Amino acid sequence: AQTVTQSQPEMSVQEAETVTLSCTYDTSESDYYLFWYKQPPSRQMILVIRQEAYKQQNATENRFSVNFQKAAKSFSLKISDSQLGDAAMYFCAYGRSQGAQKLVFGQGTRLTINP
Amino acid sequence: NAGVTQTPKFQVLKTGQSMTLQCAQDMNHEYMSWYRQDPGMGLRLIHYSVGAGITDQGEVPNGYNVSRSTTEDFPLRLLSAAPSQTSVYFCASRRTSGTYEQYFGPGTRLTVT
Repeated sequence: AQTVTQSQPEMSVQEAETVTLSCTYDTSESDYYLFWYKQPPSRQMILVIRQEAYKQQNATENRFSVNFQKAAKSFSLKISDSQLGDAAMYFCAYGRSQGAQKLVFGQGTRLTINP
Repeated sequence: NAGVTQTPKFQVLKTGQSMTLQCAQDMNHEYMSWYRQDPGMGLRLIHYSVGAGITDQGEVPNGYNVSRSTTEDFPLRLLSAAPSQTSVYFCASRRTSGTYEQYFGPGTRLTVT
């Protein structure tokens, strides 16, 4: 069974600085997707960024980028120029590409932005 | 375009009561699923459906029933609520092809006393 681990329950960063959130996963599949979701206090789950395992290039969305290391099964999220609105829970998630596409989530990392 | 909607937003039940959490989507997505979120455990899959009339169990299905009679609706039923079912419940939907992005509803906070 696939598992996703986020080893940092909490992180904090100064406004305008850069922070990296860690995620590791375990799978025997070769074709899959990885996601980072943001959950602000409103509770809404918001997709931040997505990475297809078959792509070697790391995904980037504005201030958000990932470091995808397929051999190491690592998928970290880098937030540049942190803003107060980035404060939230961040969840790493894994989804298979074939068969029943169910998301497996990590435990989450609570990110605090210090002004 | 409302996306994924869930009702109610909050609910308090007594042990042994039954209720249905409603979920609807207007994006014509074939794939729908229910997750529960507990502190320190992330989201865990309860049940999912790959189309009308087709459902299957996820990681934590015990105590929950689902059915999918239409593409749009995917209700989650608690037949006899237990305190262990106190949680936040999310419904999600996605297409069965493409980017596999799941769209989440706003969640239902359920408390069982």
